Amino acid sequence: KQEVTQIPAALSVPEGENLVLNCSFTDSAIYNLQWFRQDPGKGLTSLLLIQSSQREQTSGRLNASLDKSSGRSTLYIAASQPGDSATYLCAVYNQAGTALIFGKGTTLSVSS
Amino acid sequence: EAQVTQNPRYLITVTGKKLTVTCSQNMNHEYMSWYRQDPGLGLRQIYYSMNVEVTDKGDVPEGYKVSRKEKRNFPLILESPSPNQTSLYFCASSQNRAETQYFGPGTRLLVL
Repeated sequence: KQEVTQIPAALSVPEGENLVLNCSFTDSAIYNLQWFRQDPGKGLTSLLLIQSSQREQTSGRLNASLDKSSGRSTLYIAASQPGDSATYLCAVYNQAGTALIFGKGTTLSVSS
Repeated sequence: EAQVTQNPRYLITVTGKKLTVTCSQNMNHEYMSWYRQDPGLGLRQIYYSMNVEVTDKGDVPEGYKVSRKEKRNFPLILESPSPNQTSLYFCASSQNRAETQYFGPGTRLLVL
């Protein structure tokens, strides 16, 4: 059964720092992988989708990588800002492509 | 604006009183899903639908029903709610299998 792990559970950084959030999954036969952010009491905002055939995807200050063979994905945030403070969730699609399997998230706090 | 909407956003009810949470998307998406989010357990899929009149169970379907009579709507029905269904519920949609999922704002349910 696919399991998704995100480490660390929480992270605090000063404004301007570049940072990396980690996601690992147990079954490398994944479909696609999606990164989200969730603000307190709010819904999930999609950040990036990486298809299983891709190794990298970029959107603005965000860059996500995927290494299926090692079962890992990273989300790189450049020049962090206080507005980046949120919980970041990694999710992989099951083999049928019908459900996202989520990690428990990394809660990021960026101080000014 | 492309979006997934849910109603109500907050709901307090009592054990055994039937309720329905509505979900609607305006993106003409084929796939729709319901997830629940619980502290320590993360997000888990309840049910999904691949198209009108086609639905299937996710990881935690017990105590829930769904229907998909129109492409845009995917209501979640709790026929006899119990306290263990107290949770934060999200509806999501995607154009196709394993593509970017877009989430609604969430419905916070408390069952007394």
